[in-house]
Amino acid sequence: NAGVTQTPKFRVLKTGQSMTLLCAQDMNHEYMYWYRQDPGMGLRLIHYSVGEGTTAKGEVPDGYNVSRLKKQNFLLGLESAAPSQTSVYFCASSSGGGGYNEQFFGPGTRLTVL
Amino acid sequence: AQKITQTQPGMFVQEKEAVTLDCTYDTSDPSYGLFWYKQPSSGEMIFLIYQGSYDQQNATEGRYSLNFQKARKSANLVISASQLGDSAMYFCAMREGPPGGYNKLIFGAGTRLAVHP
Repeated sequence: NAGVTQTPKFRVLKTGQSMTLLCAQDMNHEYMYWYRQDPGMGLRLIHYSVGEGTTAKGEVPDGYNVSRLKKQNFLLGLESAAPSQTSVYFCASSSGGGGYNEQFFGPGTRLTVL
Repeated sequence: AQKITQTQPGMFVQEKEAVTLDCTYDTSDPSYGLFWYKQPSSGEMIFLIYQGSYDQQNATEGRYSLNFQKARKSANLVISASQLGDSAMYFCAMREGPPGGYNKLIFGAGTRLAVHP
């Protein structure tokens, strides 16, 4: 029972390089989210998806693109990385059902942009 | 204005004692939910407890309880009988709007708790 997984766990990029972070969930959740975590600022929502084929902007979307071609996967892309994008990135998913409807988080990806 | 405020950057507590982590929130939406997550040094985010704005009673989950004071807009986490494994970063988060559907969570900056033997 993997839950939410993220690939890769660590990455170092040079300014201007591109990369894609992969998030996968096996809980058949409808909703998926990408956050970034910076020291002293908690987690901030980058983009989210309310279903396969849909995406929407969160609080800090600039410099990122996302795609959700399959229900279980949510990809976060950086087309031209900048040092300001050095952060820890978390993917999360939720069912959208009743009850707590809490978000389940992946283990995070630590990205450094030089 | 900050929607979620955690005023304690760091706290420490003696093992087996209780500790309260503060969280205040700001919203004009009558329906909202408040979550607490734990982030140990390994980095993962672990859901601890939830309080809905219309819940009549304070939420409890094992050693965790939520002191919900709606009029004061506070949702403090109380950890009873602290254990060494409770040492971690704790985040308060809020969902604005009714439950169900997608949750756009707004997180506080977190409180780092250290439990001393």
